[in-house]
Amino acid sequence: KNEVEQSPQNLTAQEGEFITINCSYSVGISALHWLQQHPGGGIVSLFMLSSGKKKHGRLIATINIQEKHSSLHITASHPRDSAVYICAAHSGGGADGLTFGKGTHLIIQP
Amino acid sequence: DVKVTQSSRYLVKRTGEKVFLECVQDMDHENMFWYRQDPGLGLRLIYFSYDVKMKEKGDIPEGYSVSREKKERFSLILESASTNQTSMYLCASSLWQGVGTDTQYFGPGTRLTVL
Repeated sequence: KNEVEQSPQNLTAQEGEFITINCSYSVGISALHWLQQHPGGGIVSLFMLSSGKKKHGRLIATINIQEKHSSLHITASHPRDSAVYICAAHSGGGADGLTFGKGTHLIIQP
Repeated sequence: DVKVTQSSRYLVKRTGEKVFLECVQDMDHENMFWYRQDPGLGLRLIYFSYDVKMKEKGDIPEGYSVSREKKERFSLILESASTNQTSMYLCASSLWQGVGTDTQYFGPGTRLTVL
């Protein structure tokens, strides 16, 4: 079973700062997901990537397959980015192959 | 947009009660999932279903059962609720594209408290 580790667990930053959240996994994967969970519970999928880099607005996700590592970056952070960010690695061929990290709790202060 | 709805946002039950959590998706997805989320443990898969009347155990199925009689609906059942089942329960669905890497769409979650 894949092991997925995220760092940091908690991060508090000032508005405008560049944010990096890291995710490492132990076993080769077919895809890595980044998810966002706002207070209240709802989870939204941000990215699914298997190589290289993806960008959506101020969010950038990168993955290094050889190093089994992915990063989520937020540029020009804003208080509305405050949320829990979760990475999940898909290492199996079936629908149940997702292993989730424990999440990074991000707070952006105005 | 895909919409996944769950029957309750908050639920309080007593130990020993039978509890039903309902999940409905409106995008004709084959796959549906039930997770629980606990502080410090992250999301853990309880059961999933890849077709009507089909179910597979996830990582923590003990104490739970599921039912999928219609494609759009996936129910989680706690036969006899216990205090250690107090948790946030999240339902998700995804479209089967044959490689198992599909984006999962989550419902808003049900925060269950068992007294």
